[in-house]
Amino acid sequence: AQSVAQPEDQVNVAEGNPLTVKCTYSVSGNPYLFWYVQYPNRGLQFLLKYITGDNLVKGSYGFEAEFNKSQTSFHLKKPSALVSDSALYFCAVRDIWDDKIIFGKGTRLHILP
Amino acid sequence: EAGVAQSPRYKIIEKRQSVAFWCNPISGHATLYWYQQILGQGPKLLIQFQNNGVVDDSQLPKDRFSAERLKGVDSTLKIQPAKLEDSAVYLCASSSSGAQQFFGPGTRLTVL
Repeated sequence: AQSVAQPEDQVNVAEGNPLTVKCTYSVSGNPYLFWYVQYPNRGLQFLLKYITGDNLVKGSYGFEAEFNKSQTSFHLKKPSALVSDSALYFCAVRDIWDDKIIFGKGTRLHILP
Repeated sequence: EAGVAQSPRYKIIEKRQSVAFWCNPISGHATLYWYQQILGQGPKLLIQFQNNGVVDDSQLPKDRFSAERLKGVDSTLKIQPAKLEDSAVYLCASSSSGAQQFFGPGTRLTVL
């Protein structure tokens, strides 16, 4: 069965600094990987996904993520953080043979002005 | 294109009462999902429909939860009777190919 881990409950970054939100996964086959963001009282918004191809995936709002098969990781990154990036971020994984998506517990990103 | 619609946005009930949530997916999306998101946790899949058939309901507490998607379009999720631990945000999502899901704004349920 697939699983996903987000080891950090909260990440604090100063505005303008690079940010990384960590995610590791476990699937039996090849993974589909996703990042979603959730603002207060809002549903989940899609940021980016990895299906196949280039290991570096670029998404919305300047975010990117790097798929690392050997480390089974899919960390979310941004070169320069904005205060408006403060939100709850979820990593999710799906096995290509299974339609079910499993979400991590989320990481709260706090960008300090 | 219009997004996933959900109603109501908020609901407060007392334990042992019943409640129903409604979801209208993005037009043409065959797959519809209901998730439960408890505060501080990631969304947990309750049930997945493909058109009007159930694909996965393994995590649906069937003694109190039920869901239907009779015409393969909109869907309702019902809880009867509600318990305190059902307090959560209930998210509906839809997808066409299954690779990416689009989420509605959610219904925040408070059980007193």
